Amino acid sequence: GEDVEQSLFLSVREGDSSVINCTYTDSSSTYLYWYKQEPGAGLQLLTYIFSNMDMKQDQRLTVLLNKKDKHLSLRIADTQTGDSAIYFCAESMYGNTPLVFGKGTRLSVIA
Amino acid sequence: GAVVSQHPSWVICKSGTSVKIECRSLDFQATTMFWYRQFPKQSLMLMATSNEGSKATYEQGVEKDKFLINHASLTLSTLTVTSAHPEDSSFYICSARAGSQETQYFGPGTRLLVL
Repeated sequence: GEDVEQSLFLSVREGDSSVINCTYTDSSSTYLYWYKQEPGAGLQLLTYIFSNMDMKQDQRLTVLLNKKDKHLSLRIADTQTGDSAIYFCAESMYGNTPLVFGKGTRLSVIA
Repeated sequence: GAVVSQHPSWVICKSGTSVKIECRSLDFQATTMFWYRQFPKQSLMLMATSNEGSKATYEQGVEKDKFLINHASLTLSTLTVTSAHPEDSSFYICSARAGSQETQYFGPGTRLLVL
């Protein structure tokens, strides 16, 4: 079945770049997402990328997709304390199929 | 962006009672809504997919008689946890998708504690 893997923890200093990695198994995944979850809150869509793209940049966020290796990464430039949260990678085969989530990466930003 | 609300945001109930959670799309019509469950420090697990006007499709292992889902309108879906037990305590999150749009927008979640 489909599986999405992420490292569980990442700690960075304020001002540094953060890179959160994700791997997935389903080669037919068409849409790949990054969600942010702050403590006690729901999920906030940060960005998503279609499988026919290699990179997508949105302000401080850069998403890189290596479709051959089924590897997705999220880079946050100039990481701030407000970026501390859990980041979920998710994939879906089609736009109207449910998302399959990774376990989430807890990002801690040290001032 | 699209807004999805959930009500209540948290609820505490006694074992054996039923709890209803509402999920509303505030500024768009949601033909499909999804219900997820999240245990502490774990990922979201899809419970069911709800299409407006039809019966929900439940994931394997999710009891449809225990978790009743109603999607009666294009802006509202409800999840009722019937005869709740302490093991049902969890964070329940809904998401909504509008027609041909690919993106799912998530609600803020409802934290359920069953005593």
